[in-house]
Amino acid sequence: EVQLLESGGGLVQPGGSLRLSCAASGFTFSSYAMSWVRQAPGKGLEWVSAISGGGSTYYADSVKARFTVSRDNFNNALYLQMNSLRAEDTALYYCTTIGRAARAEYFPHWGQGTLVTVSS
Amino acid sequence: EIVMTQSPATLSVSPGERATLSCRASQSVSSNLAWYQQKPGQAPRLLIYGASIRATGIPARFSGSGSGTEFTLTISSLQSEDFAIYYCQQYNNWPPWTFGQGTTVEIK
Repeated sequence: EVQLLESGGGLVQPGGSLRLSCAASGFTFSSYAMSWVRQAPGKGLEWVSAISGGGSTYYADSVKARFTVSRDNFNNALYLQMNSLRAEDTALYYCTTIGRAARAEYFPHWGQGTLVTVSS
Repeated sequence: EIVMTQSPATLSVSPGERATLSCRASQSVSSNLAWYQQKPGQAPRLLIYGASIRATGIPARFSGSGSGTEFTLTISSLQSEDFAIYYCQQYNNWPPWTFGQGTTVEIK
């Protein structure tokens, strides 16, 4: 069974930093691209960042140059380093898998999320 | 960036009735369209991918159709557990992956 467990959220001041983690199990982690999706309180879903199994990275314009996604295939972990945080980054951050096949890059599995609150 | 637009924003339906949700893409996404269901306090769950293929374990009352720019999610006979928010997502042109703003299906 695929399991994704996010951690690292919390309250941070504007301009601060936070590092989110996602512990993956139940599948061959290194073979899957992974992504981060966020949801502001009472709002819809917004894709944030993705990383391929080999380490190619992708970012939404809203977080480019502030957030860095990385992975540790040995320890089956996904990370999101968030710097220069803003109030508008306040959201529940989900870790997801990305489908493996070409033209199958939907998000089959989701964690339960970790809450990031940016406030003074 | 491909913009996804869902309608209506809210759909009021009685249990046992059919619900029809729409999703429109600002440019063609072929059949690279997924639907997700989100219940309060829960993570989204994949329902449909490839515009019409049910994900593992999804009941047959959920069906998807469409291609190009117009898509539909139909719930043939609403059960109490189906009242939730539904999002469409395109994965034809990424990054970015883009979601619609969601349709809330509520009890009438």
